Amino acid sequence: DIQMTQSPSSLSASVGDRVTITCRASQSISRFLNWYQQIPGKAPKVLIYATSNLESGVPPRFSGSGSGTDFALTISSLQPEDFATYYCQQTYSIPWTFGQGTKVEI
Amino acid sequence: QVQLLERGAGLLKPSETLSLICGVYGGSFSAYYWSWIRQSPGKGLEWIGTIIHGGTTNYNPSLMSRLIMSVDTTNNQFSLNLTSVTASDTAVYYCARGPLRFFDIWGQGALVSVSS
Repeated sequence: DIQMTQSPSSLSASVGDRVTITCRASQSISRFLNWYQQIPGKAPKVLIYATSNLESGVPPRFSGSGSGTDFALTISSLQPEDFATYYCQQTYSIPWTFGQGTKVEI
Repeated sequence: QVQLLERGAGLLKPSETLSLICGVYGGSFSAYYWSWIRQSPGKGLEWIGTIIHGGTTNYNPSLMSRLIMSVDTTNNQFSLNLTSVTASDTAVYYCARGPLRFFDIWGQGALVSVSS
């Protein structure tokens, strides 16, 4: 199985801050990397797919980068509604696997 | 707008079989892959398996020996059966559309607890 490791596990930030979350795969996954946001009590929602493609309706303050084993999700200017947990997920090989999550506290 | 809705028993005893059904409302069923994903405090998000409308499946090897997924194209729904459950199977179970590239639509989740 491909292990996905996110860092940090949690972070505190202020409105307007630039925030970066990283995700490392245990082997190369090319660009088959997605990012999800989960608000407490809700299902995850995709933000970014295939490393850097913004899903329809997602604000442009979210962006993704990387390739191979190292990836990043950046929020350029943190908003109050961005309080959530963020997960990376690979679709390079079965079993599809998720990172352990990064909780962003405002 | 496509909506997914999970239904099934929420409280099980050890060794029983977990059975959930996901209804797909408001969109095409046959053109997509359909998946089950679970979330527990101890293991985070875990992909369980994926099925397509013809019945072809991909299962997580860690669950394969206990897992059966099936599809009912007449009623636009798919199901999950997980046998011999233990406390470690306690989780919120989500059905989701995909992944073609990603899981793009999710159900609201169904909490399943296993306790004697």
